This record gives sequence, C-alpha cells and structure tokens, in this order.
Amino acid sequence: SQTIHQWPATLVQPVGSPLSLECTVEGTSNPNLYWYRQAAGRGLQLLFYSVGIGQISSEVPQNLSASRPQDRQFILSSKKLLLSDSGFYLCAWTETSATQYFGPGTRLTVL
Amino acid sequence: GQQVMQIPQYQHVQEGEDFTTYCNSSTTLSNIQWYKQRPGGHPVFLIQLVKSGEVKKQKRLTFQFGEAKKNSSLHITATQTTDVGTYFCAGDNFNKFYFGSGTKLNVKP
Repeated sequence: SQTIHQWPATLVQPVGSPLSLECTVEGTSNPNLYWYRQAAGRGLQLLFYSVGIGQISSEVPQNLSASRPQDRQFILSSKKLLLSDSGFYLCAWTETSATQYFGPGTRLTVL
Repeated sequence: GQQVMQIPQYQHVQEGEDFTTYCNSSTTLSNIQWYKQRPGGHPVFLIQLVKSGEVKKQKRLTFQFGEAKKNSSLHITATQTTDVGTYFCAGDNFNKFYFGSGTKLNVKP
C-alpha cells in the first residue's frame, strides 16, 4: 500500500532563516505531487505541483520554491522566511484516479 | 483563474440536526471531490463525483454534483459529535486541484 511521509512534524524558525521541508511517497511510481499551505482556520492554498522529476509548476509567486530530485521526493524550500510563511504545510500525491492523499503535514511557525 | 467558493464558513448544530455545505465553481469541473479534516489533522478523502447530476451516499452523508458540473453539496443527516471537523470540496482541472475555503462544523452534544 502507498504511504506518504512528511518531516518535520513541527518547526519553529526565526524570520530570515532558510527552510527545507521534505515529502516522500512509498508504494507508487510517477505520482503527481503537490504542496499546499493552510493558514490557521483557513482553506488549502495550492503552492506547487509536479507531474515528474524536475517538473515544477508554481501557482503562487512568493519566496518559496520546490524541487523534485527523485520520482517520489518533493522538497519545499525558502532562502529567507517571512512571518507570513507561518502555516500548516501539506504534501499530497495522486495517481490517475485524481484522489488526493495527504501527508501528516508540517506546522511551521515563523517568529 | 479558477475559483471554488464554499458556504457557509461555519456551522454550529445540535447533535441530531442536519447539516449542509455548498460548493460553487467559477468554471465547469471534470470532477469534484470532498475531504474531511479533523481538528489538528490532515484532509482525508471522502468521495469523488464525476457525472453530471450524480448523487452518492455514504451512510448519513449525501453528496450531489450539479447538472452543469459547477456546483456540489454535502448533506449530513442527524449529525453526531464524530462529524466535527472542516469539510472541503475540491475541483480538479488538469492535474491542479482548487479547494474551497471549507465549512467548519461544530456539533454540540
């Protein structure tokens, strides 16, 4: 069966520091991968999605970037965090069925 | 760009009362999905609707997809405290998913 991992689970970072969040998927090949951000009490904002290695589409221009160095690995990065980057970051994957399976998420607090 | 709107934002009900959340898209959708997010958790897939006018049921939950494939609803009959959470709809548009803002349901015992 398929499993999606995200780490870390929680993170507290100072403003201006770098960020790296990792997501890996097991039990599937060539999945579509997604990064979402959810502000407290709000909906899900699509940040990036990828249909293959090295292929990244950005939905919202901001100080975040994403990379897919391997088929089942998706990384979200920032060189300098802003206060507004705080939120719940969710990684998700889909196959052709289009059902999205979400990872456990990373709660990021920028102070 | 595509927008998916969801109402109401919050709903407080007494246990046993019914609950409905509505989802509207600015464009025609190939399919629509519904997710539930428990407090502190991540969204979990509930169902996908594909056909125009489709109606699906899961125990006390009834999902509908509009004839024009631009709107959808989720109805819960006789809510229970286990129904507490935020319900999201999501429209699929060529590998991209646009989520509604969610309806947060609180059920008083």
